[in-house]
Amino acid sequence: ETGVTQTPRHLVMGMTNKKSLKCEQHLGHNAMYWYKQSAKKPLELMFVYNFKEQTENNSVPSRFSPECPNSSHLFLHLHTLQPEDSALYLCASSFRDIRTYGYTFGSGTRLTVV
Amino acid sequence: QKEVEQNSGPLSVPEGAIASLNCTYSDRGSQSFFWYRQYSGKSPELIMFIYSNGDKEDGRFTAQLNKASQYVSLLIRDSQPSDSATYLCAAAIQGAQKLVFGQGTRLTINP
Repeated sequence: ETGVTQTPRHLVMGMTNKKSLKCEQHLGHNAMYWYKQSAKKPLELMFVYNFKEQTENNSVPSRFSPECPNSSHLFLHLHTLQPEDSALYLCASSFRDIRTYGYTFGSGTRLTVV
Repeated sequence: QKEVEQNSGPLSVPEGAIASLNCTYSDRGSQSFFWYRQYSGKSPELIMFIYSNGDKEDGRFTAQLNKASQYVSLLIRDSQPSDSATYLCAAAIQGAQKLVFGQGTRLTINP
């Protein structure tokens, strides 16, 4: 375990479903991130939260809705997704100053949209 | 121009040899650099970081940074089949609360 826990590990959902991904960190970090990684593509930054305030939304479609109730928890609410949204969704956390320690990633949620 | 660039590979190296992975960056404000290893289907794990010019060694891994030339490299000595993975280079850019990643280099160590 890295100290960043993501649930569920695998998720299959229909295009009309609503589901949520959860991320929890036990490292005392202040910032949390959502990334998308599609097959054979680079990491795509989706959202950045600092002290539970959203500081970056990387032009993500509104069918992805993040929520950060506190510095330890991050959610990604999903609704009316498309098959091309199938990917590995990674949560990461860091201290506010990322220069020294970088990110710690969770183990990811493998999402399949059918 | 991409901010962090890597050769996507695949890079094939025989077992026991030295694997050399390279990364260039465009923003001179980049202050520290990270190497992550990602096995297929798994999440990235941090293996090295460097912020000073020169070499930094940790076991079989050596990270090298040359700020004048704006490149970072990772050397893996005595390569093992278990080193086969995708290696991601990332930069922490001044004023940005995020790491900027390269596209990753897929490394295969052949027994």
